[in-house]
Amino acid sequence: GAGVSQTPSNKVTEKGKYVELRCDPISGHTALYWYRQSLGQGPEFLIYFQGTGAADDSGLPNDRFFAVRPEGSVSTLKIQRTERGDSAMYLCASSLNVGPYEQYFGPGTRLTVT
Amino acid sequence: QKEVEQNSGPLSVPEGAIASLNCTYSDRGSQSFFWYRQYSGKSPELIMSIYSNGDKEDGRFTAQLNKASQYVSLLIRDSQPSDSATYLCAVNGYGGSQGNLIFGKGTKLSVKP
Repeated sequence: GAGVSQTPSNKVTEKGKYVELRCDPISGHTALYWYRQSLGQGPEFLIYFQGTGAADDSGLPNDRFFAVRPEGSVSTLKIQRTERGDSAMYLCASSLNVGPYEQYFGPGTRLTVT
Repeated sequence: QKEVEQNSGPLSVPEGAIASLNCTYSDRGSQSFFWYRQYSGKSPELIMSIYSNGDKEDGRFTAQLNKASQYVSLLIRDSQPSDSATYLCAVNGYGGSQGNLIFGKGTKLSVKP
């Protein structure tokens, strides 16, 4: 079956601009996660959703970052007033449910802020 | 601060040998443990999950968990050049953060033909 998909695969934007990153989880998966990975580091948790609601957003670095999942499927990560330090690979994962379930990652979006 | 520690490597093994990758974690309440493989420029790919003490085998891969020692390892038998990648250890949080995974920085494995 289809895996997690993410668009765009690459995004180059200028400092100060607004960007949206999209994630489409595996069909039937109720939990959706966003992570950010910098070069040489492991993925770092940003936020996860159980259904439509954000169950834990403790990993969002500041209020420029926001994510939604209005219908409990596709999610959008929104970054306002981008900074060069936001440049990273943004990864989305989904799992059947929240808890000790296997998480499957999408291909990621490489964000570069110039 | 919950932490997952891995030796960054690189770990170099000859083709056909056993590669042994190790990981320790700080949170004694952790319940679920995962190994991901990540090729350069690609996203992490799940290769093993383990939840109970002991060994779990899947093909050439064996995951080992020791909760008392807060230690999890991955053995790759008959290593192939295609196994060359970074291996990420991930631990599931507990309590209010049962959803997110905490990752180590990864161990880079190089399998020489």
